[in-house]
Amino acid sequence: QVQLVESGGGVVQPGGSLRLSCAASGFTFSSYGMHWVRQAPGKGLEWVAFIRYDGSNKYYADSVKGRFTISRDNSKNTLYLQMNSLRAEDTAVYYCAKGAISYSYWGKGTTVTVSS
Amino acid sequence: QSALTQPASVSGSPGQSITISCTGTSSDVGGYNYVSWYQQHPGKAPKLMIYEVSNRPSGVSNRFSGSKSGNTASLTISGLQAEDEADYYCSSYTSSSTWVFGGGTKLTVL
Repeated sequence: QVQLVESGGGVVQPGGSLRLSCAASGFTFSSYGMHWVRQAPGKGLEWVAFIRYDGSNKYYADSVKGRFTISRDNSKNTLYLQMNSLRAEDTAVYYCAKGAISYSYWGKGTTVTVSS
Repeated sequence: QSALTQPASVSGSPGQSITISCTGTSSDVGGYNYVSWYQQHPGKAPKLMIYEVSNRPSGVSNRFSGSKSGNTASLTISGLQAEDEADYYCSSYTSSSTWVFGGGTKLTVL
């Protein structure tokens, strides 16, 4: 069965960096686009970034463009999100999700807290 | 990248039907048949309920259905059950090659 397991979250100071990972199993990872979606405490879902199945194209929300980088290693079945210049408003649970047009499966999420 | 518009809350009694709307623009909801709906219970990850406007993934109850007219998509839940109480989000692909969510709707089963 499809499994997505996020890791790498934690507490970081404003201006700091973190790299999130999402380990995928149960499907042919290299054949699917992947998303990162986040949810601030008590708030709704916010789309963050998407990467095509082969990594050839990447798209970002305006709120993270220039600060976050999505990437993937198909040989390791792993998706990444490099987050730089973190701000308090980036505090959220970060989910990875499988799919292109829709998010067919979701991980359980990893929590990022940006605070001094 | 403005969020799609959903009602903040809806409610219904067991056995009734409810509809949640999701309004966007011709650059997102109205421009593509790429609207999807997600159910999220407290403390849990979202779950896909409807994709590409009206398609149900395997395993999702046929009590859930989706439709679209112009710039507004809708999720209908018939025969409401207690376990349907959750937050519901719509999402759409956009003409900017990005994705956008609605603000979410809290469904209360009375």
